Amino acid sequence: SYVLTQPPSVSVAPGQTARITCGGDNIGMKSVHWYQQKPGQAPVLVVSDDSDRPSGIPERFSGSNSGNTATLTISRVEAGDEADYYCQVWDSGSNYVFGIGTKVTVV
Amino acid sequence: EVLLLESGGGLVQPGGSLRLSCAASGFTFSNYAMAWVRQAPGKGLEWVSSLSGSATTHYADYADSVKGRFTISRDKSDHTLYLQMNSLRVEDTAIYYCARCQVAAVTADWFDPWGQGTLVTVSP
Repeated sequence: SYVLTQPPSVSVAPGQTARITCGGDNIGMKSVHWYQQKPGQAPVLVVSDDSDRPSGIPERFSGSNSGNTATLTISRVEAGDEADYYCQVWDSGSNYVFGIGTKVTVV
Repeated sequence: EVLLLESGGGLVQPGGSLRLSCAASGFTFSNYAMAWVRQAPGKGLEWVSSLSGSATTHYADYADSVKGRFTISRDKSDHTLYLQMNSLRVEDTAIYYCARCQVAAVTADWFDPWGQGTLVTVSP
């Protein structure tokens, strides 16, 4: 089965840049999607197809994908960005696969 | 506005059954594949099942952890997605989210939007 690896946590100061990685075997050949989940709420899509932002998602959220690592970058981090972030891909052998999630803390 | 509203969760004993519903509105239901994704308490997201849209060849798939016990279905007339859950286990305890895919086929895709979720608790 296909496995996605994320760091459990990332800490960042307000106004700085947070980078959340998602590792997988040759993940650069797949489309990666990212979700934000705040406590007690349902997940929300923030990036699709590696780097596309849905309507209503701030430009501060961006994504990239190459080789064995995909990255979600949050620029000019705000307190409201505190959340869990999950990467997701589709794999023909495993169907829909999620990473374990990364908790972003704004310190 | 696209909305998904789950219902049917609750407390059930191991070995019991529940049927979850997801009422969809704001889009042409038959044109999209739909999915169930669950989240155990304090844990991450786990895909459970997907079903193709009525506008394409019928196809359903399940995670190995629920295959043979859960059945996904949809009712085109009332725009509702269902998940029949039988032989429930303690490890099935989770919030179950309904989510829409972006195309009719079950394929490389993402989930957007999601419903608010319904809690299923399996306990003696």
